[in-house]
Amino acid sequence: EAQVTQNPRYLITVTGKKLTVTCSQNMNHEYMSWYRQDPGLGLRQIYYSMNVEVTDKGDVPEGYKVSRKEKRNFPLILESPSPNQTSLYFCASSLASTSHYEQYFGPGTRLTVT
Amino acid sequence: GENVEQHPSTLSVQEGDSAVIKCTYSDSASNYFPWYKQELGKRPQLIIDIRSNVGEKKDQRIAVTLNKTAKHFSLHITETQPEDSAVYFCAASRWDSNYQLIWGAGTKLIIKP
Repeated sequence: EAQVTQNPRYLITVTGKKLTVTCSQNMNHEYMSWYRQDPGLGLRQIYYSMNVEVTDKGDVPEGYKVSRKEKRNFPLILESPSPNQTSLYFCASSLASTSHYEQYFGPGTRLTVT
Repeated sequence: GENVEQHPSTLSVQEGDSAVIKCTYSDSASNYFPWYKQELGKRPQLIIDIRSNVGEKKDQRIAVTLNKTAKHFSLHITETQPEDSAVYFCAASRWDSNYQLIWGAGTKLIIKP
């Protein structure tokens, strides 16, 4: 089954404790992206990747890191989480970075930083 | 850069009536306009999209219209049903910006029985 998976789905952590949210897709998609969703603010892009070893900042990259060592995986790293990073996070992928294609979203990760 | 404004933020309609959600964009070079639906507790999913070379596109009860001159596009849902209750997001992108989607803030559509 074609899908985007994220882990964990729910995470409660404390300020400053490094964490990683994994994202994996099995559709051989070139393009992957991370968004955060906050009430009234819609979807804001954190980082995106157009292919292996190619990443770029989105609209709200501060406090986050990403890597793209393999085509299927795009982990989101919070080196020192803070309460303002409490949010719902979505990973998404699409077929190509050279045209307009549907973005497939993962199920979301709800992160709470206390 | 591109900015997308979406209205209204909340829309309540009687079951069976039509619903219209409107988005305006600022960058006249934008040429792709998708709409995503997010049901409560679920992930966003593409429901319809339109490219700048067409003015309207339909898929059963949903349609999208694009007015390039006025820089706005709208989602139309006819004969609304309870399963249409969700948050709807519009977005815009242009071919020469790495196809980055700029998203509207979302519209919560409530279908009253």
